[in-house]
Amino acid sequence: SVLTQPPSASGTPGQRVTISCSGSTSSIGHNYISWYQQLPGATPKLLIYRNNQRPSGVPDRFSGSKSGTSASLAINGLRSEDEADYYCATWDDSLSGVFGGGTRLTVL
Amino acid sequence: QVQLVQSGTEVKKPGASVKVSCRASGYTFNNYAIHWVRQAPGQRLEWMAWINVGNGNTKYSQKFQDRVTMTRDTSARTVYMDVSSLMSEDTAVYYCAREAEQLFVGGGVDVWGQGTTVIVSS
Repeated sequence: SVLTQPPSASGTPGQRVTISCSGSTSSIGHNYISWYQQLPGATPKLLIYRNNQRPSGVPDRFSGSKSGTSASLAINGLRSEDEADYYCATWDDSLSGVFGGGTRLTVL
Repeated sequence: QVQLVQSGTEVKKPGASVKVSCRASGYTFNNYAIHWVRQAPGQRLEWMAWINVGNGNTKYSQKFQDRVTMTRDTSARTVYMDVSSLMSEDTAVYYCAREAEQLFVGGGVDVWGQGTTVIVSS
């Protein structure tokens, strides 16, 4: 299974930015999506699980959605500290995991 | 607090094996699956395998199923990942990570170990 993300995205402080993740029926179409933030040199952090659920401690500026075989992560009120790599992840129908290629977000 | 602590850096020669450990604390160990994810230098995250800690059942990525073995020791609250026939391309940081919800797999992973660097070099 392959998950496709744009390699880069950018925005200015305060702006809304969305990052897309495209898959297939057997991956995103049938399974949950999760999103991760990885700051430079750091361990990944869970932002969204079960498509649109935020763990406690994750600001509500971050939101996730899914439609068919695609998903999106939206970041409202962009901040400089949001500059990081973002990964989507899901499963295939045999419960093998897969990560997207990652999107590097730059805050201009 | 909920924590996963991994073993330290490993340096191995091509063809060797490595065993990385991940010790859990702060939660009901048997109720949460543990996944292994790796990241080669400058590369994306790559999912490798998961283990049902309660019954020991495992699921491996097709890419790794011939070379990777996951086990667990419930008395030690530790999960292990064995990688055999190492190649230079296996040089990476290896993470263990806990499934976000108990008694479920496939929602996402919420707690990550600090990472174990494995260097494969002759």
